[in-house]
Amino acid sequence: SSELTQPPSVSVSPGQTARITCSGDGLPNLYAYWYQQKPGQAPMLVIYRDTERPSGIPERFSGSSSGTIVTLTINGVQAEDEADYYCQSADSSGTYWVFGGGTKLTVL
Amino acid sequence: EVQLVESGGGLVQPGRSLRLSCAASGFTFDDYAMHWVRQAPGKGLEWVSGISWNSDSTIYADSVKGRFTISRDNAKNSLYLQMNSLRAEDTAFYYCATQGGDYWGQGTLVTVSS
Repeated sequence: SSELTQPPSVSVSPGQTARITCSGDGLPNLYAYWYQQKPGQAPMLVIYRDTERPSGIPERFSGSSSGTIVTLTINGVQAEDEADYYCQSADSSGTYWVFGGGTKLTVL
Repeated sequence: EVQLVESGGGLVQPGRSLRLSCAASGFTFDDYAMHWVRQAPGKGLEWVSGISWNSDSTIYADSVKGRFTISRDNAKNSLYLQMNSLRAEDTAFYYCATQGGDYWGQGTLVTVSS
């Protein structure tokens, strides 16, 4: 795995589409994971293996991958989506992780 | 219901040691590699250490290598983090998490201060 880079902040109006990117040289060969973290709470997985959505996560959350960039897309953003979002990748054994610096999503 | 419950955090002086525990329930513990992740107050997530399901492989972030030791006891469904030579910069919430990030505990706060 290598360093992962995210924008520090993204702002969108309710109902709009939010896109949060994560770039890293290792991403073409490794899966990416996305977590949502609200204040005072543990992180929650929202996307795994680049594009898969865990059960219970709303369909408005989706993930995509293209080369060295992975993207978390939130369609029809709601006020409750305001949170910090972190991308993460792992080595092939799953025992080494690396996180991006996190992106604060603000819903205007 | 899957549960990960961390314990063992607290206030400790620089240079001292602390042992964190993570009690797992509601899933087959020895099917999963496990991880410790920390978060300093107001900062981002930092991966600390990972261990394979059978303890054959352990890996550490450079920031803790040589000071922290991860271990697990599959018979007790428990994960541990022995933290030695603690520094002020180790102050953080410490979370245990499963391989794949499916499940996380609520965290335990470690404060290193004199």
